[in-house]
Amino acid sequence: NAGVTQTPKFQVLKTGQSMTLQCAQDMNHNSMYWYRQDPGMGLRLIYYSASEGTTDKGEVPNGYNVSRLNKREFSLRLESAAPSQTSVYFCASSEVGGLQYFGPGTRLLVL
Amino acid sequence: AQSVTQPDIHITVSEGASLELRCNYSYGATPYLFWYVQSPGQGLQLLLKYFSGDTLVQGIKGFEAEFKRSQSSFNLRKPSVHWSDAAEYFCAVGAKGYSTLTFGKGTMLLVSP
Repeated sequence: NAGVTQTPKFQVLKTGQSMTLQCAQDMNHNSMYWYRQDPGMGLRLIYYSASEGTTDKGEVPNGYNVSRLNKREFSLRLESAAPSQTSVYFCASSEVGGLQYFGPGTRLLVL
Repeated sequence: AQSVTQPDIHITVSEGASLELRCNYSYGATPYLFWYVQSPGQGLQLLLKYFSGDTLVQGIKGFEAEFKRSQSSFNLRKPSVHWSDAAEYFCAVGAKGYSTLTFGKGTMLLVSP
């Protein structure tokens, strides 16, 4: 099993550009999550989807949108990237009340 | 709102010495507690979890953690540290039947020869 996969692994954007981070899981989990990790800040939840068809804001949702495309896939979109969005982005999945499994991360640099 | 505090940003331990990483949480009910480890450039790997029952929890790689409700703590321990344990460690808390986790800011473990 691949577990949780994320694409791309690395991305460089210019301020104002848009992009979509892709996440897919093959564990048949109901819940999926997007986090960002910044030095000294730990992981902060951007958005999550408790089940297919639902999405909810986390701690730091501003500047982001998400789409739960189907049970397997959960994408994160930056409509107009800003330097403050330079970060490492992690996707995770779980059963409700279960363990969260993390993807390898996407490293994003916004110039 | 739930919160997690990891008081130590960095800890340096000699190889072979014992290790304790501190984690304090704030949560109104019985929490679900986790420790994750992140090696440089990698994703997060679960070390151990506490849901209920025995308050001393064994995890992978020789790690253990003890849940102390009276102190709102869930400290991570290892009796003898190896150089390969050098990484960043995150404590996290969730609610029963949780949808989301709240993470601490992490403790970076450095292992000296």
